[in-house]
Amino acid sequence: QIQLVQSGPELKKPGESVKISCKASGYTFTDYAMHWVKQAPGKGLKWMGWINTYTGKPTYADDFKGRFVFSLEASASTANLQISNLKNEDTATYFCARLFGVDAWGQGASVTVSS
Amino acid sequence: DVVMTQTPVSLSLAIGQPASISCKSSQSLVHSDGKTYLSWILQRPGQSPKRLIYLVSKLDSGVPDRFSGSGSETEFTLKISRVEAEDLGVYYCWQATHFPLTFGSGTKLEIK
Repeated sequence: QIQLVQSGPELKKPGESVKISCKASGYTFTDYAMHWVKQAPGKGLKWMGWINTYTGKPTYADDFKGRFVFSLEASASTANLQISNLKNEDTATYFCARLFGVDAWGQGASVTVSS
Repeated sequence: DVVMTQTPVSLSLAIGQPASISCKSSQSLVHSDGKTYLSWILQRPGQSPKRLIYLVSKLDSGVPDRFSGSGSETEFTLKISRVEAEDLGVYYCWQATHFPLTFGSGTKLEIK
């Protein structure tokens, strides 16, 4: 079955960087785009953008341009999200998701930014 | 950006009662390809979201047929014919017709 398994929780200080991974299984990784969605504590869902898993080209929503980088390790069927210069407002759960075709979401990766 | 407005914010219903959630978009969600990319997802407490309905009214595999979706252009509705205990959680509509993809603010369903 289709699965997206994300890396574990992270506790970081402001100004640090974090990298979240999302390993896909159960389908051909390069056939479907990978999307990233942010959920701040107690809040709703916000789409961050997506990466074309065939070409590696990322597309970012406006609020996620600059400090956010989507990347791939296609040989490992893995998508990554890196956030640099972390700010308190980056504290959230980050989901990778296959939003088209058969629906699939990762379990979420919690990032806490605190001094 | 397309604003997705969901109502009500919350619902408290007994098992067996019907539920209805409205989602209105600030622009038509009809894509140039003729399709309407409006989906509904459910996020149960402590879990990842799970899609229930896509393209306005198509049920995802394994979703009980007590769920139904309808609507067109800018007004959409998710209905549950008879609420069951497992239906509690937050329901979101979201659109993929226009960039960026946008989600509604959510409707929390509680079971009395």
